[in-house]
Amino acid sequence: SAVISQKPSRDICQRGTSLTIQCQVDSQVTMMFWYRQQPGQSLTLIATANQGSEATYESGFVIDKFPISRPNLTFSTLTVSNMSPEDSSIYLCSVEGTSGYEQYFGPGTRLTVT
Amino acid sequence: QKEVEQNSGPLSVPEGAIASLNCTYSDRVSQSFFWYRQYSGKSPELIMSIYSNGDKEDGRFTAQLNKASQYVSLLIRDSQPSDSATYLCAADSSNTGKLIFGQGTTLQVKP
Repeated sequence: SAVISQKPSRDICQRGTSLTIQCQVDSQVTMMFWYRQQPGQSLTLIATANQGSEATYESGFVIDKFPISRPNLTFSTLTVSNMSPEDSSIYLCSVEGTSGYEQYFGPGTRLTVT
Repeated sequence: QKEVEQNSGPLSVPEGAIASLNCTYSDRVSQSFFWYRQYSGKSPELIMSIYSNGDKEDGRFTAQLNKASQYVSLLIRDSQPSDSATYLCAADSSNTGKLIFGQGTTLQVKP
């Protein structure tokens, strides 16, 4: 499976500010995904990021709040904009596997908004 | 709305016992099913995938799929304290490449 890294691993931010999370993969992948995992909850898909096209957002998530870039086949960023304490969560990127629809996850970014 | 449902637990089993984790899904079009293990403070790790009806074994893990009943399960034999984690069931969403995750079942293996 691919090796995935995320930066930063954790951050504490003030409300009203923005944070950009980076996701780097050691091999080229077509599909990358961004998830949010709130405390004690399961994974919620924010958006799908394919290289060369606009990200596709899930219901309840909008581009103005969570802009995503996908400049090449190994890298993506997710920005959490105008943060509020409700944005405190773990943000995870994942990539598609080679066998089917399986996904592999990065280590996550733990965000706390004060 | 497409859903994957799991009992949140906790499921508590003694060391050496068989742990049985269950999952149901609503989307009949789903063809691929996955079990992820998530330790506290860590990201999910893929441990099993299953695509056909029946059983698939990998070491101490056996995944079972019954598409007619829309039911997936994971058996862990000879459970160890290191198996204590949250197990997430996931199903593909209508061949979109996206996965739908269940809420996860917390497993506690007691020495």
